[in-house]
Amino acid sequence: DAKTTQPPSMDCAEGRAANLPCNHSTISGNEYVYWYRQIHSQGPQYIIHGLKNNETNEMASLIITEDRKSSTLILPHATLRDTAVYYCIVSLGGGTSYGKLTFGQGTILTVHP
Amino acid sequence: GAVVSQHPSRVICKSGTSVKIECRSLDFQATTMFWYRQFPKQSLMLMATSNEGSKATYEQGVEKDKFLINHASLTLSTLTVTSAHPEDSSFYICSARLEARTEAFFGQGTRLTVV
Repeated sequence: DAKTTQPPSMDCAEGRAANLPCNHSTISGNEYVYWYRQIHSQGPQYIIHGLKNNETNEMASLIITEDRKSSTLILPHATLRDTAVYYCIVSLGGGTSYGKLTFGQGTILTVHP
Repeated sequence: GAVVSQHPSRVICKSGTSVKIECRSLDFQATTMFWYRQFPKQSLMLMATSNEGSKATYEQGVEKDKFLINHASLTLSTLTVTSAHPEDSSFYICSARLEARTEAFFGQGTRLTVV
């Protein structure tokens, strides 16, 4: 799996958009970009994933650059409950190893009042 | 949908005893589940891949005789930590993938403390 690089920490004011960047310059053509988050002492929570196109769901938006070497997770209106460690992971979306995720250190997002 | 449940959420055991952790997919069938371990202030590390009806595949450095994995049905995988020692104290997390989708879903984790 391709390696990802994320800033170790970020701050965001409550109600504002949180934009979390991720670099994955070695991503291959059939690898997806996944975002998960982990709130303290809980299992990771799936947020969103994409291959080439930008994606949006009820939790967040995922913007993937045209060359696919980087992406940004956007939480449009951050709340205090969004404080968590956010992981950007690149992995195959099919085949025998899909679902097998390699976690980096992630970004600690702190949302403050 | 896509709920994965672990039991117990927290367990304390004595050194030398064995502990079994269950991972269930509640509303879907999972032919493949994954087991991770997370030490304090560290990221998740994959321990093994659990395949229904066959032997688990362990990551390098993970002792298969110490961490026994059984995936006897399409909705249940178990991890047994045998002869537990204090250094096995950790947060154990399972995940399961859906065959028709590309994402995996995680359980809530099990906090194991060996005293």
